[in-house]
Amino acid sequence: AQSVTQLGSHVSVSEGALVLLRCNYSSSVPPYLFWYVQYPNQGLQLLLKYTSAATLVKGINGFEAEFKKSETSFHLTKPSAHMSDAAEYFCAVSVPHLSGGSNYKLTFGKGTLLTVNP
Amino acid sequence: EPEVTQTPSHQVTQMGQEVILRCVPISNHLYFYWYRQILGQKVEFLVSFYNNEISEKSEIFDDQFSVERPDGSNFTLKIRSTKLEDSAMYFCASRRQLYSYEQYFGPGTRLTVT
Repeated sequence: AQSVTQLGSHVSVSEGALVLLRCNYSSSVPPYLFWYVQYPNQGLQLLLKYTSAATLVKGINGFEAEFKKSETSFHLTKPSAHMSDAAEYFCAVSVPHLSGGSNYKLTFGKGTLLTVNP
Repeated sequence: EPEVTQTPSHQVTQMGQEVILRCVPISNHLYFYWYRQILGQKVEFLVSFYNNEISEKSEIFDDQFSVERPDGSNFTLKIRSTKLEDSAMYFCASRRQLYSYEQYFGPGTRLTVT
């Protein structure tokens, strides 16, 4: 079964500083990987996705992530944090159902709460 | 931009009561999902639905749960007899087609069982 580990339940950065949120995955088959963001009292918004094309993927709001198969990682970065980036970030993995088919359910990490200090 | 909608935003119910959570997926999407997030915990998969049948369900999705697509637009999650531990945020998600892997989430329904 697939799993996701997000290192650091809480990351605090200063405005303008680099944001680095870590995600490692485990999967027996090539995975599809996603980052979602959840603002307070809102649903999950897709930030970016890796679906076996380019290993460096760019998303919305200046975020990007790099798929590294050798490290089983998909870390999320942003060069310069903005106050509006404060939210909870979830890494998720999706693989085909073991019996085949087209389900592609998401398995989420526990999330990382990002706070941005002025 | 099309979005997934969910109603109600907050539902309070007494233990043992039945609840129905409603979702309207994005109109041209074919795959539908329910997830839940207990306060302070990770988002967990409950069930997926395609072509009017369940394609996969988790261990959480026991006989107390059911899903239905009663018409061409709504997708519902029913909990037959709610328990205290069913208190959570329930998210509906939809996915467009076979080779489109990203899921789009609704804003969630917060279910509180007292």
